[in-house]
Amino acid sequence: AQSVAQPEDQVNVAEGNPLTVKCTYSVSGNPYLFWYVQYPNRGLQFLLKYITGDNLVKGSYGFEAEFNKSQTSFHLKKPSALVSDSALYFCAVRDRVRAAGNKLTFGGGTRVLVKP
Amino acid sequence: KAGVTQTPRYLIKTRGQQVTLSCSPISGHRSVSWYQQTPGQGLQFLFEYFSETQRNKGNFPGRFSGRQFSNSRSEMNVSTLELGDSALYLCASSLESGAPLGDEQFFGPGTRLTVL
Repeated sequence: AQSVAQPEDQVNVAEGNPLTVKCTYSVSGNPYLFWYVQYPNRGLQFLLKYITGDNLVKGSYGFEAEFNKSQTSFHLKKPSALVSDSALYFCAVRDRVRAAGNKLTFGGGTRVLVKP
Repeated sequence: KAGVTQTPRYLIKTRGQQVTLSCSPISGHRSVSWYQQTPGQGLQFLFEYFSETQRNKGNFPGRFSGRQFSNSRSEMNVSTLELGDSALYLCASSLESGAPLGDEQFFGPGTRLTVL
């Protein structure tokens, strides 16, 4: 069974400092990996995805993520956090097998609080 | 291009009633997935519809059902509501199902269902 872990319920960071949100996964095969962000009373917004190739993936709003196959991790990073980055972040995996469709398995989410 | 729309945005029902939620995908998208979001269980996959056929189903009781119409709009139905069904129900659309490039899904704002 697929599982995704986000070990930190909350991450606090000062504005301008680097931000890291951790994600590890336990799945069979090589899944697609995603990061989504959710603002209050909103749906999820796509940030970035890893399909193949370069282990460093760049996404929206200055976010990037580093894929590490040996550690089965896909940590989200931003070099300089903004107060507006305060939100709930979700890591998700999707099976590469076409028959599995678009089912996403999500981590529990990490709340990011960026203080001015 | 308009995003994913969900109606209604808020809904209050009582135990034992049934409810129907609606989702209109982005124009041209043929896959619609549904997710339940609760504080305790997080984000859980309900089902996916593609070309009017259920592609995948999550681990939910038969009280949860759905369908997709020829214009790709989708509805989900919950019968005999229980208190534990109170949640934010999110739908997501994608061009295809199980695409080899791992197409991202675009989420709607959700329908917040409260069961009293």
